[in-house]
Order: sequence, then C-alpha cells, then structure tokens
Amino acid sequence: SQQGEEDPQALSIQEGENATMNCSYKTSINNLQWYRQNSGRGLVHLILIRSNEREKHSGRLRVTLDTSKKSSSLLITASRAADTASYFCATISGAGSYQLTFGKGTKLSVIP
Amino acid sequence: EPEVTQTPSHQVTQMGQEVILRCVPISNHLYFYWYRQILGQKVEFLVSFYNNEISEKSEIFDDQFSVERPDGSNFTLKIRSTKLEDSAMYFCASSGWATNTGELFFGEGSRLTVL
Repeated sequence: SQQGEEDPQALSIQEGENATMNCSYKTSINNLQWYRQNSGRGLVHLILIRSNEREKHSGRLRVTLDTSKKSSSLLITASRAADTASYFCATISGAGSYQLTFGKGTKLSVIP
Repeated sequence: EPEVTQTPSHQVTQMGQEVILRCVPISNHLYFYWYRQILGQKVEFLVSFYNNEISEKSEIFDDQFSVERPDGSNFTLKIRSTKLEDSAMYFCASSGWATNTGELFFGEGSRLTVL
C-alpha cells in the first residue's frame, strides 16, 4: 500500500457546495501538504500543516490532520467552477528528508 | 510573481537518444528537485539537489539520469539513453528552505514522449 492515498478518486459537485477530500498515509510525518493541479499543468501548493497542528485555514480552504488516524482532510467551501482540478496530498516522512510522497489525487469537478 | 520555468514544454525523442530538460528555479531558492508523472499515475520524486550536489534520490533515478546546475540559474535533468517507459511529464521544483518546513514551487512541466 502507498503513502498518501486520497479519497474519493473523483468528486463532482455543484457550484456553491462544499467539497471534502480525504488523505490517508502510512508512516509518521513531519508535515502534510495539499497541492492542486489543473489538467496538464504544474502543481500549485495550497496549504501545509505540520504534524503538531490539528487544523489550518487559508481562505476557503480548511485542512485537518489527525496523526493518530494518519489522515487529513481538505475542505473547500463555497466551491467555484475554477476549483475544478485534481487535488493531491503529499507528505514528508523523515527529518532531513526532502522527498515529497504524493497520493494519487482526487479529481474534483465543479459544475456551474 | 517569481516562478519556476521549464523548457521545452514538449519533447519527442527516439528511444536510445539523450534528452536534457531545463529548468530555471526561483532566483533566491536553495533547493531544487525533479519529479515526474507518468500519464494517469502519481507524481513521483526523482531527485533533490542542494549546495551543488544531490541530497536525495529515489530508486527511479538510476545511472541513466543525472542533474546539473551548470551556472547560477539553470538546473538540468539529463536522461542519457531514453527508454519507452521514460515517457512522462517531468516537473522541476524549487524551495527556499528544506521541504520539511515549507512549500515547493513547481514549474509547468516538460512532457517527454519517447518513441
């Protein structure tokens, strides 16, 4: 099994609704990050949450981290058509490691 | 806003040929990375580079791969003899500090197609 698995794999919602994506991981982490990728484009960093944090907000984004369950969730409130993209969680495991391990992502479609 | 730029955006090559992918990281960043994404699959770490040397590399980054920072601005990935399975989107990234304390800034990617 892989580090950083998101669910659902795909999510389709109406504009204005909230979107929740989940991520589970296997090993202990230093931090967990969420990235967005528009189709065929590069990855854009959204938010980083450290292992000693439980919740973090940035604009319409809310991230939670439960290290006891090795899981995180990303909530996008009041979604817009422009939020349509794939969302990935990524983890850093070891101290001194520079390696981000990405999940397979959740493909979000926001229908206008 | 500063950004990571990559060239070429798309390269088609024959199997066995050498390919060099180029990246210009954000100017005040200290750490540089290459990741790749095979179509429909996860983004995978290849290598990280700091202080003019490789700091970490994955199993994917075998002897066919090399990285270089030939001058103060460019960061290159060379694939010595391409294979069909090297076809992927290659992303360069940079960060100002170790990624366990901050975010990575990614370029738009270079799509490599090996025929």
